[in-house]
Amino acid sequence: ETGVTQTPRHLVMGMTNKKSLKCEQHLGHNAMYWYKQSAKKPLELMFVYSLEERVENNSVPSRFSPECPNSSHLFLHLHTLQPEDSALYLCASSQAFQAPNYGYTFGSGTRLTVV
Amino acid sequence: ILNVEQSPQSLHVQEGDSTNFTCSFPSSNFYALHWYRWETAKSPEALFVMTLNGDEKKKGRISATLNTKEGYSYLYIKGSQPEDSATYLCALILTGGGNKLTFGTGTQLKVEL
Repeated sequence: ETGVTQTPRHLVMGMTNKKSLKCEQHLGHNAMYWYKQSAKKPLELMFVYSLEERVENNSVPSRFSPECPNSSHLFLHLHTLQPEDSALYLCASSQAFQAPNYGYTFGSGTRLTVV
Repeated sequence: ILNVEQSPQSLHVQEGDSTNFTCSFPSSNFYALHWYRWETAKSPEALFVMTLNGDEKKKGRISATLNTKEGYSYLYIKGSQPEDSATYLCALILTGGGNKLTFGTGTQLKVEL
């Protein structure tokens, strides 16, 4: 266990469904991130939250909606997804967004399949 | 678009071999380079954070060097073991960008008995 917990580990959803991915950390970190990994592509940054404020939205379609209710929890709400959104979604946290000398702590990811 | 290139894409070595791989990146606006180790079905794990030109870092049998002027970093594994089998990712941070990582596609290492 890394200290960053993601649920569920696997998710299959239809294109008309609404679901949410959850990420939780109790490391005292102030920054949290969503990354997406599609097959044969590098990890792509989706969203960054620093002290519960969104500081980065990397041109992500509005069918992905993040939420950070407190510094320990991060959600990714999904609705009307497309099959090409099938991917591994990784959550990470770090000490602070303005402290690039600290590495990320990652969760194990949610493997999402859109049918 | 920021390109972080890793080579080779994959590598098979025998147990006991030493090996190395490369991460190349644009040298302008460099702030930091991270290395991560990602075993199948697990979380990526931070290995090194490197910021200074000429930096060398070591963790057990794994070490890394950094050349920010020419835009590359090497990761070395001495005496590879089967448990070193993983994908090794490098990621770049630019100045003024906060702790926002741009990842390479990784080098997949398989160490065979």
